[in-house]
Formats: sequence, C-alpha cells, structure tokens
Amino acid sequence: AQSVTQLDSHVSVSEGTPVLLRCNYSSSYSPSLFWYVQHPNKGLQLLLKYTSAATLVKGINGFEAEFKKSETSFHLTKPSAHMSDAAEYFCVVSGARGAAGNKLTFGGGTRVLVKP
Amino acid sequence: KAGVTQTPRYLIKTRGQQVTLSCSPISGHRSVSWYQQTPGQGLQFLFEYFSETQRNKGNFPGRFSGRQFSNSRSEMNVSTLELGDSALYLCASSLVGQGNSGANVLTFGAGSRLTVL
Repeated sequence: AQSVTQLDSHVSVSEGTPVLLRCNYSSSYSPSLFWYVQHPNKGLQLLLKYTSAATLVKGINGFEAEFKKSETSFHLTKPSAHMSDAAEYFCVVSGARGAAGNKLTFGGGTRVLVKP
Repeated sequence: KAGVTQTPRYLIKTRGQQVTLSCSPISGHRSVSWYQQTPGQGLQFLFEYFSETQRNKGNFPGRFSGRQFSNSRSEMNVSTLELGDSALYLCASSLVGQGNSGANVLTFGAGSRLTVL
C-alpha cells in the first residue's frame, strides 16, 4: 500500500521569496514520485519526477525537489516565487516496482498564494 | 503534438441520468487513466485501460464504467447519477510503462466538469 501526505493545505508567500511545499510518502517499495501543478480550471501539469536516479530533481519553472529516503520525504522548493506560481500543487506516488499499470496516489494538495 | 483532449468540458445533468465522457490520448500513448477530483475527496483513481483492457480499478461503485477503443480513445460512463458525482473528471495518458519506470509519466487533459442537479 502507498500513501502521500502533504503537510500544508495552504501556503502563502511574498513574490520573490522562497517557496517550500512539504510532502511525506509511504510505500512498500522504492517509489516513483512526482509533483504536479494545477492552475484554476486547468488540468494537471507535471513539474518534476523522481525515479531512483539523482535524489535532487530539477523541474520546470525553477522548481526542484529532494528525495530523502531516511525521512520518506519529497519536499518541493523554489528559490524565488513568482505571481504565476499561484496554483495548487500535488505530490504523487506511483505504483510499486513490477506492478502493472499506472495507478497514481495523490496527496491532498497544497494551495499556494503569492502576495505582491 | 496535440495533448490529451477531453470532451465535453462542462456538462450539467440531473439525478438519475447517465453521462458519457470522452478522452483522446496523446498520439502513441496506449494507456488511459481516469481520475475524479472533488473538494472533499481530492483526486481519486477510477480506472486505467491499456490495449482495450482494464488494467487497474479504483474503489468506485459499479455505476462507474469505462472502455477503450482500438485507437486508444477512451470513454467513461456514469449511470444513475447522484449529487455526489459532481466533480472534475480528469483523463491522463501515458506510454507503455510499468512499475518503477520513468515512462510512467502521465499527461493530463483539462478535464470534464460534471454538475449533477
């Protein structure tokens, strides 16, 4: 079984300041982990993915995430927030090694507000 | 390269009716998954189809069904609609990929927003 917990349902930052979105996961296997972003009335867009290669993963729009197995965490960061980063962010874990299919388990989401 | 296309984007139904939603995956993608998004339950996995076969199924009642055609296009159907079925239904497609593989990246469509009155 696998699960994902996003520790903050809402995060508010000022434009130009760092963003930290926290995610902890639980998985019986070495997981694949993702961060997706959803802007209002839009679908989900992939920000970055971790698939057992480098533990520090760089994504689009200046985001990066670090996989820490000992802490079962996959926190998302960005050094400087932009107004366009206001959206909802989802931490996601994929199926176990060898498991058939593409079933994703989503965290509850973190809504980011960027203040000017 | 066209993305994942979902139709219709918005629809309104009444309780007891049924609805069919359509999803056209990215060309070459053979896996299509469906997810339900609601404010209360968040994003929940409905089912996945690959080569016209249901490969995975979430914990939804039998009123929720789907199918996939030979061209990988997929439809999902909800019968006997209930108020609680109001949601954004998201379709996602991916290349053939299993387990811990980078090919498991899902590309999502914009969704079909269903309102049940």
